[in-house]
This record gives sequence, structure tokens and C-alpha cells, in this order.
Amino acid sequence: GAVVSQHPSWVICKSGTSVKIECRSLDFQATTMFWYRQFPKQSLMLMATSNEGSKATYEQGVEKDKFLINHASLTLSTLTVTSAHPEDSSFYICSAEIREGTSYNEQFFGPGTRLTVL
Amino acid sequence: GNSVTQMEGPVTLSEEAFLTINCTYTATGYPSLFWYVQYPGEGLQLLLKATKADDKGSNKGFEATYRKETTSFHLEKGSVQVSDSAVYFCALLSGGYNKLIFGAGTRLAVHP
Repeated sequence: GAVVSQHPSWVICKSGTSVKIECRSLDFQATTMFWYRQFPKQSLMLMATSNEGSKATYEQGVEKDKFLINHASLTLSTLTVTSAHPEDSSFYICSAEIREGTSYNEQFFGPGTRLTVL
Repeated sequence: GNSVTQMEGPVTLSEEAFLTINCTYTATGYPSLFWYVQYPGEGLQLLLKATKADDKGSNKGFEATYRKETTSFHLEKGSVQVSDSAVYFCALLSGGYNKLIFGAGTRLAVHP
């Protein structure tokens, strides 16, 4: 159980185009999903927290107009990289949260999406 | 603020060697602590966790003990295998916030 999928697993696009990445919780409902960015050989940096039915909360320094997040249902969140540029090339990872009472929330991670912008 | 510090890698070991990857944290309150593993080309997988002081998390031969007095959560394995080669991330989840804070990651390479 607790499987999170991402689609696509990799994408190559031209500079200036927009790319949408989907994150789905396959066997559970996730009220909260998270989007991370990982640069080569570096840790994950949280970009934004996405709550179902409400606007995403972005971390400091993350451009909300560039990285559009939509969490339309309890099993789907999307990240759209608008007007992508080569510096947006990265590994994007989502996670979905399972709440266990009020003391502990476990996140389950998707396999990631490798974005390359030419 | 909350933070996690891991030992720098890469760590290179021979098969069946003992592994320790150090992790210390700074946090307010009583965070939950995690070790995640990332195999080449894959996303993160939860390896083990501990939610309160003195808890020991264990999985696949790996262990880590939540030490509040030293604010540490060191990862250990008695005998590593080539298949353990991966990047290991220490992380904390603060009780008041639902955000995971990750360490920088430690790359482990195990040779036959």
C-alpha cells in the first residue's frame, strides 16, 4: 500500500515551453502533497506544500507564477513548470502525506520526474 | 530553525564491512526522525523511522536510535552488501509543522 506515482518519469522540452508533471496517490487519499526539487548530488529542497482544494503554500524563493501547483482531488496534484528554461532542469519529486492521528505524519514519495530543458 | 547535519560522503566500503553514517539534528520540540534511501535513478524510500526518544528504528539490517541527549540518529549496519550502494538521507519532521527537513545526503558505495 501507500504507493505514489509520477508521470512522466522523464521529459525533454524546448526552452520557453511549459511542462506538466502529475503526482498521484494510487491506493490512499492524500489531503496534502509536497513538491521537491533535487539538484545532482544534492538534497531535496521543498518547493511547495499542496493542500486539496486550496492554494499551494510556496517556500521562500520559489516563484509561484513559474511553478504552478494544482491539487484538484485527494489523489492528484500537478506541477506545471511554465516557460521552462535550462536552469529549471532538475529532478522533481512529489510526496503524499498519510496522517496517523495528530502526532505523526508519514510521507510517501513518488519515483521522481527528470526534466531536461534544452 | 530546524536542521539536519549528515556526515559528508562518499563513503566507500568493502562488502561485509560495518557501516555508520552520522546524523545530528537541531529542532524545537520533539521531532520524528527518519532515514530515507535513494537507489540510482529512483525516488526516495523510507528505510526506518523513530518517533520518540530512545526509540530504535530498524529495517533490512539497518538500525538507528533516537538519542535526544546528543540530538543524534546515526545509521548503522553490521555487514553491508553491494546492493546497499545508494544515497542515504537523514530527515526530521517537526511536530508542529508537516515539513520534512532533509540532510544533504550521504552516498554509500560498497565494493565486492
